[in-house]
Amino acid sequence: QSVLTQPPSVSGAPGQRVTISCTGSSSNIGAGYDVHWYQHLPGTAPRLLICDNNNRPSGVPDRFSGSKSGASASLAITGLQAEDEANYYCQSYDSSLSGWVFGGGTKLTVL
Amino acid sequence: EVQLVQSGAEVKKPGESLKISCKGSGYSFTNYWIAWVRQMPGKGLEWMGIIYPSDSDTRYSPSFQGQVTISADKSINTAYLQWSSLKASDTAMYYCATKSSSWFGWFDPWGQGTLVTVSS
Repeated sequence: QSVLTQPPSVSGAPGQRVTISCTGSSSNIGAGYDVHWYQHLPGTAPRLLICDNNNRPSGVPDRFSGSKSGASASLAITGLQAEDEANYYCQSYDSSLSGWVFGGGTKLTVL
Repeated sequence: EVQLVQSGAEVKKPGESLKISCKGSGYSFTNYWIAWVRQMPGKGLEWMGIIYPSDSDTRYSPSFQGQVTISADKSINTAYLQWSSLKASDTAMYYCATKSSSWFGWFDPWGQGTLVTVSS
Protein backbone atom coordinates (compact mmCIF):
# COMPACT_ATOMS: atom_id res chain seq x y z
CA GLN A 1 0.00 0.00 0.00
CA SER A 2 1.51 3.28 -1.14
CA VAL A 3 1.94 6.22 1.22
CA LEU A 4 0.40 8.55 -1.38
CA THR A 5 -3.00 7.53 -2.74
CA GLN A 6 -3.88 7.81 -6.43
CA PRO A 7 -6.85 6.43 -8.35
CA PRO A 8 -5.84 3.23 -10.17
CA SER A 9 -7.17 4.47 -13.48
CA VAL A 10 -8.70 7.42 -15.31
CA SER A 11 -9.83 7.78 -18.89
CA GLY A 12 -10.88 10.42 -21.36
CA ALA A 13 -11.53 11.00 -25.01
CA PRO A 14 -9.07 12.85 -27.26
CA GLY A 15 -9.28 16.59 -26.67
CA GLN A 16 -10.84 16.25 -23.22
CA ARG A 17 -9.43 17.24 -19.85
CA VAL A 18 -8.61 14.74 -17.11
CA THR A 19 -7.29 15.14 -13.59
CA ILE A 20 -5.37 12.72 -11.41
CA SER A 21 -5.47 13.17 -7.67
CA CYS A 22 -2.75 12.39 -5.13
CA THR A 23 -3.72 12.28 -1.46
CA GLY A 24 -1.17 12.29 1.32
CA SER A 25 -1.07 13.00 5.04
CA SER A 26 0.35 15.30 7.69
CA SER A 27 3.79 13.73 7.37
CA ASN A 28 4.22 14.37 3.66
CA ILE A 29 2.11 16.64 1.42
CA GLY A 30 0.20 18.04 4.40
CA ALA A 31 3.48 18.93 6.10
CA GLY A 32 4.28 21.25 3.24
CA TYR A 33 6.57 19.05 1.18
CA ASP A 34 6.35 19.67 -2.54
CA VAL A 35 4.74 17.25 -4.98
CA HIS A 36 6.29 16.11 -8.24
CA TRP A 37 4.71 14.16 -11.11
CA TYR A 38 6.11 11.60 -13.55
CA GLN A 39 4.87 10.01 -16.76
CA HIS A 40 5.91 6.39 -17.20
CA LEU A 41 5.56 4.08 -20.15
CA PRO A 42 6.40 0.44 -19.35
CA GLY A 43 9.95 -0.44 -20.29
CA THR A 44 11.10 3.16 -20.45
CA ALA A 45 12.59 5.62 -17.99
CA PRO A 46 10.05 7.65 -16.01
CA ARG A 47 9.81 11.23 -17.26
CA LEU A 48 9.55 14.22 -14.94
CA LEU A 49 6.41 16.17 -15.84
CA ILE A 50 5.85 18.59 -12.97
CA CYS A 51 8.24 19.63 -10.19
CA ASP A 52 7.55 21.64 -7.07
CA ASN A 53 3.77 21.29 -7.39
CA ASN A 54 3.23 23.32 -10.54
CA ASN A 55 6.45 23.84 -12.48
CA ARG A 56 7.02 22.28 -15.89
CA PRO A 57 10.57 21.30 -16.87
CA SER A 58 11.75 22.42 -20.27
CA GLY A 59 10.12 20.41 -23.04
CA VAL A 60 6.94 19.46 -21.17
CA PRO A 61 3.84 20.76 -23.00
CA ASP A 62 1.69 23.33 -21.23
CA ARG A 63 -1.20 20.87 -21.51
CA PHE A 64 0.19 19.43 -18.28
CA SER A 65 -0.32 21.37 -15.05
CA GLY A 66 -0.15 20.66 -11.35
CA SER A 67 -1.67 22.04 -8.21
CA LYS A 68 -1.51 21.41 -4.48
CA SER A 69 -3.86 22.17 -1.63
CA GLY A 70 -3.55 20.96 1.93
CA ALA A 71 -2.60 17.30 1.98
CA SER A 72 -3.54 16.68 -1.65
CA ALA A 73 -2.28 17.48 -5.13
CA SER A 74 -3.59 17.10 -8.65
CA LEU A 75 -2.24 16.70 -12.15
CA ALA A 76 -4.38 18.05 -14.97
CA ILE A 77 -4.00 17.15 -18.61
CA THR A 78 -5.93 19.19 -21.16
CA GLY A 79 -6.37 18.53 -24.86
CA LEU A 80 -5.86 14.80 -24.30
CA GLN A 81 -3.81 13.05 -26.99
CA ALA A 82 -3.29 9.37 -27.73
CA GLU A 83 0.39 9.74 -26.81
CA ASP A 84 -0.62 10.71 -23.26
CA GLU A 85 -1.69 7.13 -22.56
CA ALA A 86 0.71 6.07 -19.82
CA ASN A 87 1.06 5.58 -16.07
CA TYR A 88 1.35 8.69 -13.92
CA TYR A 89 2.97 8.85 -10.48
CA CYS A 90 3.06 11.55 -7.82
CA GLN A 91 6.03 11.80 -5.45
CA SER A 92 6.85 13.72 -2.30
CA TYR A 93 8.95 13.47 0.85
CA ASP A 94 7.76 11.90 4.09
CA SER A 95 9.16 13.04 7.44
CA SER A 96 7.98 9.93 9.32
CA LEU A 97 9.85 7.65 6.92
CA SER A 98 12.71 10.11 6.42
CA GLY A 99 12.57 9.38 2.74
CA TRP A 100 10.86 9.86 -0.57
CA VAL A 101 7.47 8.36 -1.33
CA PHE A 102 5.46 7.68 -4.47
CA GLY A 103 1.81 7.24 -5.20
CA GLY A 104 0.61 3.87 -6.42
CA GLY A 105 0.31 5.16 -9.95
CA THR A 106 -2.64 5.97 -12.21
CA LYS A 107 -3.12 4.41 -15.62
CA LEU A 108 -4.48 6.92 -18.11
CA THR A 109 -6.43 5.47 -21.01
CA VAL A 110 -7.24 7.64 -24.00
CA LEU A 111 -10.51 6.34 -25.39
CA GLU B 1 23.44 15.49 -22.48
CA VAL B 2 22.75 14.52 -18.88
CA GLN B 3 22.08 10.80 -18.71
CA LEU B 4 22.23 7.71 -16.56
CA VAL B 5 22.98 4.39 -18.27
CA GLN B 6 22.25 1.19 -16.38
CA SER B 7 23.67 -2.29 -16.79
CA GLY B 8 21.75 -4.94 -18.71
CA ALA B 9 19.08 -7.38 -17.69
CA GLU B 10 20.01 -10.19 -15.31
CA VAL B 11 18.60 -13.67 -14.75
CA LYS B 12 19.67 -15.24 -11.47
CA LYS B 13 18.79 -18.14 -9.21
CA PRO B 14 17.60 -17.75 -5.61
CA GLY B 15 20.53 -17.44 -3.24
CA GLU B 16 22.89 -15.94 -5.83
CA SER B 17 24.51 -12.55 -5.46
CA LEU B 18 24.15 -9.64 -7.87
CA LYS B 19 25.49 -6.13 -8.40
CA ILE B 20 23.92 -3.82 -10.97
CA SER B 21 25.30 -0.47 -12.03
CA CYS B 22 24.29 3.04 -13.04
CA LYS B 23 26.79 5.27 -14.85
CA GLY B 24 26.26 9.00 -15.05
CA SER B 25 27.53 11.40 -17.69
CA GLY B 26 27.04 14.97 -18.83
CA TYR B 27 27.00 16.51 -15.35
CA SER B 28 28.92 16.64 -12.09
CA PHE B 29 28.07 13.11 -10.93
CA THR B 30 29.72 13.43 -7.53
CA ASN B 31 27.67 16.47 -6.53
CA TYR B 32 24.17 15.01 -6.83
CA TRP B 33 22.51 12.25 -4.84
CA ILE B 34 21.64 9.10 -6.80
CA ALA B 35 18.54 7.12 -5.81
CA TRP B 36 17.49 3.56 -6.55
CA VAL B 37 13.81 2.83 -7.21
CA ARG B 38 12.10 -0.56 -7.51
CA GLN B 39 9.12 -1.46 -9.65
CA MET B 40 7.79 -4.95 -9.08
CA PRO B 41 5.74 -6.56 -11.87
CA GLY B 42 2.44 -4.73 -12.24
CA LYS B 43 3.17 -2.47 -9.28
CA GLY B 44 4.18 1.11 -8.60
CA LEU B 45 7.47 2.84 -7.86
CA GLU B 46 9.21 2.39 -4.49
CA TRP B 47 12.17 4.40 -3.24
CA MET B 48 14.88 2.03 -1.98
CA GLY B 49 17.75 4.22 -0.96
CA ILE B 50 20.04 7.04 -1.97
CA ILE B 51 23.77 7.74 -2.09
CA TYR B 52 25.96 10.84 -2.38
CA PRO B 53 28.84 9.74 -4.64
CA SER B 54 31.23 12.38 -3.33
CA ASP B 55 31.53 10.78 0.12
CA SER B 56 29.29 7.67 -0.24
CA ASP B 57 26.87 8.93 2.42
CA THR B 58 23.96 6.48 2.06
CA ARG B 59 20.39 6.41 3.33
CA TYR B 60 17.98 3.49 3.04
CA SER B 61 14.23 3.19 3.06
CA PRO B 62 13.18 1.22 6.16
CA SER B 63 11.64 -1.35 3.80
CA PHE B 64 15.00 -2.06 2.16
CA GLN B 65 17.47 -1.55 5.03
CA GLY B 66 19.51 -4.72 5.38
CA GLN B 67 18.11 -6.20 2.18
CA VAL B 68 20.36 -4.43 -0.32
CA THR B 69 23.61 -2.47 -0.37
CA ILE B 70 24.07 0.77 -2.27
CA SER B 71 27.57 1.95 -3.14
CA ALA B 72 29.36 4.25 -5.56
CA ASP B 73 32.73 4.66 -7.27
CA LYS B 74 33.14 8.36 -7.94
CA SER B 75 36.28 7.78 -10.00
CA ILE B 76 34.14 6.21 -12.73
CA ASN B 77 30.87 8.08 -12.09
CA THR B 78 29.04 4.89 -11.22
CA ALA B 79 26.56 3.88 -8.54
CA TYR B 80 25.72 0.30 -7.64
CA LEU B 81 22.90 -1.72 -6.12
CA GLN B 82 23.75 -5.17 -4.83
CA TRP B 83 22.23 -8.22 -3.21
CA SER B 84 24.13 -10.90 -1.33
CA SER B 85 21.41 -13.54 -1.57
CA LEU B 86 18.61 -13.00 -4.06
CA LYS B 87 15.03 -14.11 -3.50
CA ALA B 88 12.27 -14.69 -6.03
CA SER B 89 10.56 -11.60 -4.59
CA ASP B 90 13.50 -9.47 -5.80
CA THR B 91 12.24 -9.94 -9.35
CA ALA B 92 11.59 -6.41 -10.54
CA MET B 93 12.72 -3.52 -12.69
CA TYR B 94 15.25 -1.32 -10.90
CA TYR B 95 15.83 2.30 -11.82
CA CYS B 96 18.48 4.76 -10.76
CA ALA B 97 17.74 8.46 -10.79
CA THR B 98 19.47 11.71 -9.96
CA LYS B 99 17.90 13.75 -7.19
CA SER B 100 17.48 17.48 -7.61
CA SER B 101 19.67 19.79 -5.55
CA SER B 102 16.79 20.36 -3.13
CA TRP B 103 16.90 17.64 -0.46
CA PHE B 104 13.14 17.11 -0.60
CA GLY B 105 13.00 17.42 -4.36
CA TRP B 106 12.38 15.41 -7.48
CA PHE B 107 14.25 12.76 -9.46
CA ASP B 108 15.55 13.60 -12.91
CA PRO B 109 16.96 12.15 -15.08
CA TRP B 110 16.31 8.43 -14.68
CA GLY B 111 18.22 5.48 -16.04
CA GLN B 112 16.57 3.16 -18.54
CA GLY B 113 16.08 0.48 -15.90
CA THR B 114 17.61 -2.92 -15.21
CA LEU B 115 15.30 -5.93 -15.20
CA VAL B 116 16.27 -8.49 -12.59
CA THR B 117 14.62 -11.91 -12.80
CA VAL B 118 15.17 -14.39 -9.97
CA SER B 119 13.94 -17.88 -10.72
CA SER B 120 15.00 -21.42 -10.03
